[in-house]
Amino acid sequence: EVQLVESGGGLVQPGGSLRLSCAASGFTFSSFWMSWVRQAPGKGLEWVANIKQDGNEKYYVDSVRGRFTISRDNAENSLYLQMNSLRADDTAVYYCTRGTVVGATYWGQGTLVTVSS
Amino acid sequence: QSALTQPPSASGSPGQSVTISCTGTSSDVGGYNYVSWYQQHPGKAPKLKIYEVSKRPSGVPDRFSGSKSGNTASLTVSGLQAEDEADYYCVSYAGSNNYVFGSGTKVTVL
Repeated sequence: EVQLVESGGGLVQPGGSLRLSCAASGFTFSSFWMSWVRQAPGKGLEWVANIKQDGNEKYYVDSVRGRFTISRDNAENSLYLQMNSLRADDTAVYYCTRGTVVGATYWGQGTLVTVSS
Repeated sequence: QSALTQPPSASGSPGQSVTISCTGTSSDVGGYNYVSWYQQHPGKAPKLKIYEVSKRPSGVPDRFSGSKSGNTASLTVSGLQAEDEADYYCVSYAGSNNYVFGSGTKVTVL
């Protein structure tokens, strides 16, 4: 059974940092693109970043480029999102997905990041 | 990149059909056949219903269908059931490894 389990969310002050993790199981992690998608409270979905199977290609939405870094550890079947210089508008539930967002059949349950003083 | 335009709400009675539009530009919806649709119930993760404009993942009933004309993609849910009441989001590839979601549509089963 495919499972994606996010962790690492929480309350952080503006300007702070947080690292999200996504533990994958039930499939060959190294064979798939992986993505992060976020949803602000009461708002719609927003693609954040994705990473190729070998980790050598990474892409970001403009609003997080330079502040967020996506990475993966294929030996540990894990996906990460390092978030720096956090702002109030980064407050959202962050989901990891298997594949790119135009074909993501599997999503995690999400982890809530709240940026507030 | 601006969000794709969806109507805020749509509704239909059980057994009827509802169609949701998703309007973008020639740089996203109109330029690629990589449009997908997700269903999201409150407090839950989204579920893929349609990918590559009109393809259904395994397990998705054929009551869900997708199409595209020009810069507008559409999702039709036929034979509405109570469980179809949810938020629906389109998403399109927008070139240069960018992706843009729609603004979302709340479907109500009357």
